[in-house]
Amino acid sequence: QSVLTQPPSVSAAPGQKVTISCSGSSSNIGKNYVSWYQQLPGTAPKLLIYDNYKRPSGIPDRFSGSKSGTSATLGITGLQTGDEADYYCGTWDSSLSAYVFGIGTKVTVL
Amino acid sequence: EVQLVESGGGLVQVGGSLRLSCAASGFTFSSFWIHWVRQAPGKGLVWVSRINNDGSSAIYADSVKGRFTISRDNAKNTLYLQMNSLRAEDTAVYYCARGFVADYFDYWGQGTLVTVSS
Repeated sequence: QSVLTQPPSVSAAPGQKVTISCSGSSSNIGKNYVSWYQQLPGTAPKLLIYDNYKRPSGIPDRFSGSKSGTSATLGITGLQTGDEADYYCGTWDSSLSAYVFGIGTKVTVL
Repeated sequence: EVQLVESGGGLVQVGGSLRLSCAASGFTFSSFWIHWVRQAPGKGLVWVSRINNDGSSAIYADSVKGRFTISRDNAKNTLYLQMNSLRAEDTAVYYCARGFVADYFDYWGQGTLVTVSS
């Protein structure tokens, strides 16, 4: 059971758009920045989005992030087969004094 | 190029100890907080611990508090995780990750597998 709630899986056809939600509380998302990580099969996680919506250098603008209240969303447009991966949201939880991740969402390109 | 390379994983019995290392290069190691994050087989990411840039402050997840100790040697650009009283549920791939304070992790190592067996 994770502090942050994500859907286990989402899917869409190539070229389409998917959104992944991440729901938390006032002690985590409501108070701190959210980041998103992409984990391709058999590899280490990679930073995709930080500070709610910012993209590191090299991350295409097909990936976007947003936050409202105690929820955050990752959007992926122009879906590609190479986007098939697990996606995790994460943030600091001020009550737990710990960094927390969502359970991860598996993106499947149909 | 920023690189983080973990080592020290392996097979250990329940109740045993192991020390992981994370060798850093390509950046000023002493300027950054570093974290350990683990991932059990087929499961999600779980934050384990972090240490601040000069090693004066460390915090832990409740699940490892009192059993794991994070430390760093800035002269050697190396992070450590001393793991004692290991349990079967500590079995996981352990990643070190460079942190922007506690907001996000911008670089990750490739991970090292720890298997705790009874």
